Amino acid sequence: AQTVTQSQPEMSVQEAETVTLSCTYDTSENNYYLFWYKQPPSRQMILVIRQEAYKQQNATENRFSVNFQKAAKSFSLKISDSQLGDTAMYFCAFMMRGTSYGKLTFGQGTILTVHP
Amino acid sequence: SQTIHQWPATLVQPVGSPLSLECTVEGTSNPNLYWYRQAAGRGLQLLFYSVGIGQISSEVPQNLSASRPQDRQFILSSKKLLLSDSGFYLCAWSGGTRGLNTEAFFGQGTRLTVV
Repeated sequence: AQTVTQSQPEMSVQEAETVTLSCTYDTSENNYYLFWYKQPPSRQMILVIRQEAYKQQNATENRFSVNFQKAAKSFSLKISDSQLGDTAMYFCAFMMRGTSYGKLTFGQGTILTVHP
Repeated sequence: SQTIHQWPATLVQPVGSPLSLECTVEGTSNPNLYWYRQAAGRGLQLLFYSVGIGQISSEVPQNLSASRPQDRQFILSSKKLLLSDSGFYLCAWSGGTRGLNTEAFFGQGTRLTVV
């Protein structure tokens, strides 16, 4: 079974600055996906970024980038030029690749507050 | 494009009453469907998933059940609600005509309060 751990229950950052959210995971699998989802106060789950484990290059999406360290089983999210709209709960999640189902295992979440 | 609908958005039910939450997906065929629960604003826990009509897998023992009467319809039910069933319930889908499961797409959720 897979586990995902987010050790930072809450983080805060000033607008326009950079913040990094941490995530570690445990799995015996070699082929999987990792995700960061954002849950704003509306509680809609929004996909922020996806990393494929077989790709060494770190994924980036505009202001969002990841630092994927497969050997260390670490998957952190960096948010650059933070905006007020980035205030949300962020979840790290794991999905096995190549199966007939796409079950997600989530971390406990990190509440990020961006201050003006 | 694909969309997922989940209703109701909010529900307050007395202990011992029945429950039915519905989720439908549009724009794809044969999706994998999921019910997750989020308690106390923290992590999501997978309750049920389905890879086809009538095929339901349960991840955790509980007071709830799920059914998939149609390809793109997924229902979460209970005969008698408990206080501990309170939480935020999210329906999701993956795969379908998009091919392999590469990410999951979520509905807007149902906030259930059992009183």
